Amino acid sequence: SSELTQDPAVSVALGQTVRITCQGDSLRSYYASWYQQKPGQAPVLVIYGKNNRPSGIPDRFSGSSSGNTASLTITGAQAEDEADYYCNSRDSSGNPYVFGTGTKVTVL
Amino acid sequence: QVQLVESGGGLVKPGGSLRLSCAASGFTFSDYYMSWIRQAPGKGLEWVSYISSSSSYTNYADSVKGRFTISRDNAKNSLYLQMNSLRAEDTAVYYCARITMVRGDAFDIWGQGTMVTVSS
Repeated sequence: SSELTQDPAVSVALGQTVRITCQGDSLRSYYASWYQQKPGQAPVLVIYGKNNRPSGIPDRFSGSSSGNTASLTITGAQAEDEADYYCNSRDSSGNPYVFGTGTKVTVL
Repeated sequence: QVQLVESGGGLVKPGGSLRLSCAASGFTFSDYYMSWIRQAPGKGLEWVSYISSSSSYTNYADSVKGRFTISRDNAKNSLYLQMNSLRAEDTAVYYCARITMVRGDAFDIWGQGTMVTVSS
């Protein structure tokens, strides 16, 4: 089955912009969705489809995609954005859904 | 409000069985595909299984195929996961999640999770 690869950790200064990437063959065919998970809490959907935000998600979160890479950008990172972020997509080989390896975002 | 609440987790010996439940409220449960997703301690998310809105279609991760069975009761707004032949590597927090298929698939609502520990 396919894999989705993310950088293990990134850091960003308060108020600056950070981009989190997700690479995998399945992203050539399917949109990625992105999830924020804070310690001890369930994941929360932040971006899905081409670049859609669920109700209540701040507009500093945005998504994009090119080739086999999907990206989640946080523009003007806030302290409360410090969390683990996971990408996910459909997969046409093996399991129908696959999660990325996760990226820990630290806001300095 | 839209809510999913899991229950049924606990400590079970290797080879044992457990049945998880997920109670849905605040939306028309029978309109949505539903899924189970798990997270081993300190690890990432792993998709486990999904079921279509009318139970016509199910699918499982290779790691649980033949051991786990997903089901639902739309009259009771409930989702289930029957887990048999449990192994130590099944130890995880199990989340139920609603699947939206509008403008791309996504798990848009999650429960708080229920912990399953497989240990002798």
